[in-house]
Order: sequence, then structure tokens, then C-alpha cells
Amino acid sequence: ETGVTQTPRHLVMGMTNKKSLKCEQHLGHNAMYWYKQSAKKPLELMFVYNFKEQTENNSVPSRFSPECPNSSHLFLHLHTLQPEDSALYLCASSQGLAGGNEQFFGPGTRLTVL
Amino acid sequence: KQEVTQIPAALSVPEGENLVLNCSFTDSAIYNLQWFRQDPGKGLTSLLLIQSSQREQTSGRLNASLDKSSGRSTLYIAASQPGDSATYLCAVRPDETSYDKVIFGPGTSLSVIP
Repeated sequence: ETGVTQTPRHLVMGMTNKKSLKCEQHLGHNAMYWYKQSAKKPLELMFVYNFKEQTENNSVPSRFSPECPNSSHLFLHLHTLQPEDSALYLCASSQGLAGGNEQFFGPGTRLTVL
Repeated sequence: KQEVTQIPAALSVPEGENLVLNCSFTDSAIYNLQWFRQDPGKGLTSLLLIQSSQREQTSGRLNASLDKSSGRSTLYIAASQPGDSATYLCAVRPDETSYDKVIFGPGTSLSVIP
């Protein structure tokens, strides 16, 4: 596998379920990101990790819980979600946080909350 | 507050035409601007990254220009092909360290008709 991979690609869950999204990057990058893309809205940054340490939490509800066990893996744990949380969740990575570093995105997980 | 807009929201052209996609931003104090392509239900693919000191970047049939003073960037696609059909997004980074302040535009949905 090369680049940034995300699993699952599609997920349907009820509001009482607990699920996790997984992201893995094979680029040797140190920074990883979670974005949310809702229909007809620009991308929203949710979380940022640099060298496994969370550096940003953009006022994301606690029903979203990130985990970064190492620089190559990033998880987003989901519990008691709401229908409005249905969206495409994108993971990205970059060599570092500095501005000259391009972000590389995974294919996303299409989440539907019933 | 930086705002990024993209016009038109959707564009349909016959195969072979040259076309221009527009990105506008309200605050000219940017560090760089990046163009992405997103295929339906998939993640973002970086196309071109223009630093604030640059005027344009080229990759194959793509040419992106940047005019900071007027708050505009254009993505020129030469000899369009059906495979170019996708949503094109621009993203603006305000400074070198503000990885969390990257602002994405809403995107232009491009359809190239065979």
C-alpha cells in the first residue's frame, strides 16, 4: 500500500453504536489530520496530530474521539453520533506542520448515521 | 476573516476545450495556495501548490496562477478530457505555521462531455 489509506470506505451506524475509523499513511510523514466534509460545505479541520501529539481540536464534539498511537496510524472513535454527523471523513498527512509541506489525503470514509 | 470563494460552482464543457477555474480570497496576506482535485466520494489529490512569492505553477496540462494583490488564483486546464471531470478545490494557508487555519473553497464541479 502506498500513500494514505482509510478503512472502512463506507460505514452506516445507528446513533447508539460505537465505531472507529482508521487511517494509515505510508509516506513517512509526522503530521496527520482529520477533516469532515459535509454536503455543500467546505472542508472542516477536526484534529491535528504532530509526532503523535494532538496539537489542534477545532471545537469538535466529544462524541468524536481521536487516537494517534504512532506517526503512521490515526483513528477516529465514534459514539452516540447524530444524523447531522453524516459526512465524508477525510484523513490527511504531511511531512510536518510548516506551511511548505503539502498535505496528502486518503480516499475518505463515507459515514451515514441513521 | 479570510473567505475563499470559487466561481462557477459548476461547469460543463465539451471535450477538447480549454477552461479556467477561479478562486478568490478576501485577505491577500497568504503564505501559499493549493489546488486539489476530488473525484466523487473520494479524497483530495493535490494538483499544484503555489507559494506566495510565485506567480504560477505548471504540471502537464494544468497551469495555476496567483495574483495576491487582487486576491485571485486561476487553474487553467488545456485540452480538457472526460477524465478531468471532478470537483476542483482551492485552499489558502495564511502563514507558514498556521496549519490549522487553512481555508478551503467550496469547489467547482467540472464535467467534460465526450
